[in-house]
Amino acid sequence: EAAVTQSPRNKVAVTGGKVTLSCNQTNNHNNMYWYRQDTGHGLRLIHYSYGAGSTEKGDIPDGYKASRPSQENFSLILELATPSQTSVYFCASGETGGAPAETLYFGSGTRLTVL
Amino acid sequence: SQWGEENLQALSIQEGEDVTMNCSYKTYTTVVQWYRQKSGKGPAQLILIRSNEREKRSGRLRATLDTSSQSSSLSITGTLATDTAVYFCATDAWTGGLSGKLTFGEGTQVTVIS
Repeated sequence: EAAVTQSPRNKVAVTGGKVTLSCNQTNNHNNMYWYRQDTGHGLRLIHYSYGAGSTEKGDIPDGYKASRPSQENFSLILELATPSQTSVYFCASGETGGAPAETLYFGSGTRLTVL
Repeated sequence: SQWGEENLQALSIQEGEDVTMNCSYKTYTTVVQWYRQKSGKGPAQLILIRSNEREKRSGRLRATLDTSSQSSSLSITGTLATDTAVYFCATDAWTGGLSGKLTFGEGTQVTVIS
């Protein structure tokens, strides 16, 4: 089964600080995604990647950067964290590129609190 | 039903009952996927129904898709306490290229009381 691991599971940061959320997948999937989920709402796409070295903006990219240094790793970076970025962040990898109906495999999430 | 800016919907049912949740979407999609998210976990795909299918079954799950009304439903028969979760529909506005990004609905919280 697809395995996506996120770290840390919980993070408390201060306003204005830099935060890096990490994601690792062991399935050799081309595509990886970062979503955020706010209480009582669905998932919203922040950034995604088609492969090593590529990053694309999702629906809500402002205030976030992404980095895909390898097939396995995809990071989300908050250069200047703000309280509005307090949320649960999910990383996902996609089964295949180039075809519709991609299945996403999600990690267990990182709960970020910005004070 | 879920979509748009609606808040999370909630349903509470007795174990053994059937439940149906609805989803409407705004743009063309090649598929509708249904995901389940249990507390403290990431979503996991349950079932995928393509735009040329009207119904898809998988065990106790049944998904329907009506492209003319841009709506989908997910039914669970004979619910169990372990079905307690948030259920999301997701659409894929794939128009060719490398990937279709999924857009998720707001979700339906289903609580099964044993």
